[in-house]
Amino acid sequence: DTGVSQNPRHKITKRGQNVTFRCDPISEHNRLYWYRQTLGQGPEFLTYFQNEAQLEKSRLLSDRFSAERPKGSFSTLEIQRTEQGDSAMYLCASSIGQGTAEQFFGPGTRLTVL
Amino acid sequence: DAKTTQPPSMDCAEGRAANLPCNHSTISGNEYVYWYRQIHSQGPQYIIHGLKNNETNEMASLIITEDRKSSTLILPHATLRDTAVYYCIGNSGGYQKVTFGTGTKLQVIP
Repeated sequence: DTGVSQNPRHKITKRGQNVTFRCDPISEHNRLYWYRQTLGQGPEFLTYFQNEAQLEKSRLLSDRFSAERPKGSFSTLEIQRTEQGDSAMYLCASSIGQGTAEQFFGPGTRLTVL
Repeated sequence: DAKTTQPPSMDCAEGRAANLPCNHSTISGNEYVYWYRQIHSQGPQYIIHGLKNNETNEMASLIITEDRKSSTLILPHATLRDTAVYYCIGNSGGYQKVTFGTGTKLQVIP
């Protein structure tokens, strides 16, 4: 257990529905990252927060995706009008904001879109 | 991030040292070499990182060549729990948008 928690761990939804995932980082970490991982591939960067500010978004993050980190604590990732191609593991990571600090990953939320 | 090249898979006998190579010939002077691993169905786990000098921690050793174009991660006494996908990443640290490749799938054999 790295101290980063994600909920839910699994989500099955029907195409066209909206889903929201939550990430609780390690409390003193001011950086938070979201990644997506499909079968057989390494995680792909989606977006990054420093405190409550979203500083970078990958072009993978279409306009159906939105992420927030109110008050610089937990973060949510919402996918609207889900598509079958959104089926993946969604990983959250956090790190302290200095130097070469490593990232601590949560266990992920596995999304299946039917 | 620097482009890295790793063998897709390797086997190692339990109790022996596992040596995982990584080529990063385009790594820039301020980029560190990071290693993460991912055990099946879990999130990636940080192992070690280094810039120029060899590094060792409780999990592994990292040997970086003098020209910094390649490195080797060494697990000194591999156990079955070390079976995982190992990712080598070149990254400048600080704000770390980590770019994972496909990694090396290490199978530790009893």
